[in-house]
Amino acid sequence: QLQLQESGPGLVKPSETLSLTCTVSGGSVSNTSYQWGWIRQPPGKGLEWIGSVSYSGSSSYNRSLKSRVTISVDTSKNQFSLNLSSVTAADTAMYYCARRPVTGILRHSFDIWAQGTMVTVSS
Amino acid sequence: QSVLTQPPSASGTPGQRVTISCSGSSSNIGRYIVNWYQHLPGTAPKLLICLNNQRPSGVPDRFSGSKSGTSASLAISGLQSEDEAVYYCAAWDDSLNALVFGGGTKLTVL
Repeated sequence: QLQLQESGPGLVKPSETLSLTCTVSGGSVSNTSYQWGWIRQPPGKGLEWIGSVSYSGSSSYNRSLKSRVTISVDTSKNQFSLNLSSVTAADTAMYYCARRPVTGILRHSFDIWAQGTMVTVSS
Repeated sequence: QSVLTQPPSASGTPGQRVTISCSGSSSNIGRYIVNWYQHLPGTAPKLLICLNNQRPSGVPDRFSGSKSGTSASLAISGLQSEDEAVYYCAAWDDSLNALVFGGGTKLTVL
């Protein structure tokens, strides 16, 4: 059973870069049947898609964050990562990584999610 | 404010049938598939309905989804206390070139 686990600092200073990693176990990030994505939820608010990446490194981002976001894949470590630059308090949120099938009935959904990691932006 | 509009709350008593709506436009629901997620506090969101009306393996048949035009809905029959959660619809949006989620509907089982 594939599992995902986020890791990274829980506190980031304003104007700095938020960096999170999602480790894939029980499966391979190189599997061409899937993309890998990041979603966040600010306190008291709903879910917001940040972006997605395929094993080849091809990525797509939410336009509202595009200038600040980079999502990349490290096949050697079976991980994918999120970098969000120039953070402000508005970036304080629970961050989730998730798997996105590109084939079958589950395609274009996020079918497996990690538990989430809370990131606070504060000095 | 999300481009997919959901009622902020819904409620029902055990055994009842509840429906949650998700209203969009021709740039999202009108053109793309809708997925539904269940989110219990402190847990990871769970995929409930995919491809508008398909249940992933393990999802009880009490949950069903439908789509018509630029709207979609999630129905839960035989309501149970463990169904108390926040439910989100999601679809791709051409205008925003992004996957968008509805604002979420908090379901309370009375």
